[in-house]
Amino acid sequence: DAKTTQPPSMDCAEGRAANLPCNHSTISGNEYVYWYRQIHSQGPQYIIHGLKNNETNEMASLIITEDRKSSTLILPHATLRDTAVYYCIVRAPTNTNAGKSTFGDGTTLTVKP
Amino acid sequence: SAVISQKPSRDICQRGTSLTIQCQVDSQVTMMFWYRQQPGQSLTLIATANQGSEATYESGFVIDKFPISRPNLTFSTLTVSNMSPEDSSIYLCSVSVNGVSEAFFGQGTRLTVV
Repeated sequence: DAKTTQPPSMDCAEGRAANLPCNHSTISGNEYVYWYRQIHSQGPQYIIHGLKNNETNEMASLIITEDRKSSTLILPHATLRDTAVYYCIVRAPTNTNAGKSTFGDGTTLTVKP
Repeated sequence: SAVISQKPSRDICQRGTSLTIQCQVDSQVTMMFWYRQQPGQSLTLIATANQGSEATYESGFVIDKFPISRPNLTFSTLTVSNMSPEDSSIYLCSVSVNGVSEAFFGQGTRLTVV
């Protein structure tokens, strides 16, 4: 699996958009970008994933650059409950191996009142 | 989606003893994965557990220390053997459901070795 680089920490004001960047310059053509988050003392939670097109779901939006070497996770209206460690992962979308992921250090997002 | 139940949720154990962690999934899954998360750090994959075959361990992890069982398609156990304080971590199991490419994680087992 390709490696990713994320800033170690970010702050965001409550109600504002949180934009979390991720660099994955060695991503392969068949690898998707996945985002998970881990709220303190809980297991990681899936947020969103994409290949090359921008994706949006009820939790977030994912913007992938045209060269696919970086992406941004957007939480449109951050709340205090969005405070967590956010992990960006790249891997092929094989269903049986989806649980086998290489986690980097992630970004600790702190949403402040 | 998949609902994963891990037991125990936490435990405090004496050094030199062993603890078996259970992972139960509400649907049949081909592969289950065990991770360790040491305090303040990211997740590290310990091993992959297939039903009907021996687990595949990642570099730095061995079967004698972390034996794994996978008796059926919905259940797995991870044993942390001959524990030392360095084994104090959160242990998590993860699965992927056929046809779904994202992973689902249990809530973890917080182990403290004293």
